[in-house]
Amino acid sequence: DAGITQSPRHKVTETGTPVTLRCHQTENHRYMYWYRQDPGHGLRLIHYSYGVKDTDKGEVSDGYSVSRSKTEDFLLTLESATSSQTSVYFCAISGQGSNQPQHFGDGTRLSIL
Amino acid sequence: GESVGLHLPTLSVQEGDNSIINCAYSNSASDYFIWYKQESGKGPQFIIDIRSNMDKRQGQRVTVLLNKTVKHLSLQIAATQPGDSAVYFCAENRMNTGFQKLVFGTGTRLLVSP
Repeated sequence: DAGITQSPRHKVTETGTPVTLRCHQTENHRYMYWYRQDPGHGLRLIHYSYGVKDTDKGEVSDGYSVSRSKTEDFLLTLESATSSQTSVYFCAISGQGSNQPQHFGDGTRLSIL
Repeated sequence: GESVGLHLPTLSVQEGDNSIINCAYSNSASDYFIWYKQESGKGPQFIIDIRSNMDKRQGQRVTVLLNKTVKHLSLQIAATQPGDSAVYFCAENRMNTGFQKLVFGTGTRLLVSP
């Protein structure tokens, strides 16, 4: 298995609170991604990173921010959580080149009440 | 809009049968395709990939076929086992750069009966 660890694995929080999810990799891969997975939808890209301090928005980035201060860590922050952000969040990594498969962590199940 | 989709939401097979999971894609410029398997409570697991300059690629018990003429992708699993029960989905890469812009289908659930 690819060395990807997501934390926490489960979290329940209240609307309006800030939440930070962590993705840690041991593969030294350049690219890291955050997705959300909801019933009836495929995985949707929130943000991605192509290097330390280099990040960009995906298709569903509103309400989310990211940071990457080290190659191995990619943080996803919900500044003020809303119920619509209840989802399962996956981190993925990939090596150099557009034809390298992405490998995923086991996800964080986030419930916002 | 453009999307990657699957024709069958659920596929039920008997143990030992061969399974075929289909996927249609709409962007003829896509150059890389991946199949993933997702078990309950886990992240998607890479199964096999194929580049657009290939028509077929084989792995261990799995084969991916790519038909660019009709923009169709299929995953064949030989001698399906109960451990193959999971959701399978395809993804296409729409950008030929270092960054992958993968678009994912919603998935097909494969149920394998003993």
